[in-house]
Amino acid sequence: EAQVTQNPRYLITVTGKKLTVTCSQNMNHEYMSWYRQDPGLGLRQIYYSMNVEVTDKGDVPEGYKVSRKEKRNFPLILESPSPNQTSLYFCASTGGELDTQYFGPGTRLTVL
Amino acid sequence: QKEVEQNSGPLSVPEGAIASLNCTYSDRGSQSFFWYRQYSGKSPELIMFIYSNGDKEDGRFTAQLNKASQYVSLLIRDSQPSDSATYLCAVSPGANNLFFGTGTRLTVIP
Repeated sequence: EAQVTQNPRYLITVTGKKLTVTCSQNMNHEYMSWYRQDPGLGLRQIYYSMNVEVTDKGDVPEGYKVSRKEKRNFPLILESPSPNQTSLYFCASTGGELDTQYFGPGTRLTVL
Repeated sequence: QKEVEQNSGPLSVPEGAIASLNCTYSDRGSQSFFWYRQYSGKSPELIMFIYSNGDKEDGRFTAQLNKASQYVSLLIRDSQPSDSATYLCAVSPGANNLFFGTGTRLTVIP
């Protein structure tokens, strides 16, 4: 089954404690991206990657890092989380004939 | 900044009625247009896409695109309570990039 997986699904942490949210896709897509979703602000792109070792900033990259060492994986790293990074995060993978974007199940992050 | 505007709603329609969701975009170079449905706490799910001016029908859903007016809409016929969700409009200028509106919350009243 074609899918995008994210872990963890829920995370409560404290300010400054480094964390990583993993994302993996099994569709052999080249393009992957991370979004955060906040009430009233919609989905905003954090980072995207067009292929292995190729990443670029989206609309709201401050405070985040990513890496793309393998095609299937695209982890999101928060080196020093702050409360304003409390949000719902989605990983997405894009591909296929119609460049369809497939979303992971989401990670709800709370930073205290 | 590429803007995609949607009426946030909530939009309430009775069961069996037609729900009409609207979206405008600012980038005239936009090439692809998508509608996603998102249930509360869940991830967005693609329900329709359209590339050419005019209408595209898929079951109870019809997407309408007017590039001259920079306007895309989604009609849901015979609305069901299970259609109650937030509908996200997304616009792509190409190169896999997507810009989302903030979504319209639809409630279908039994």
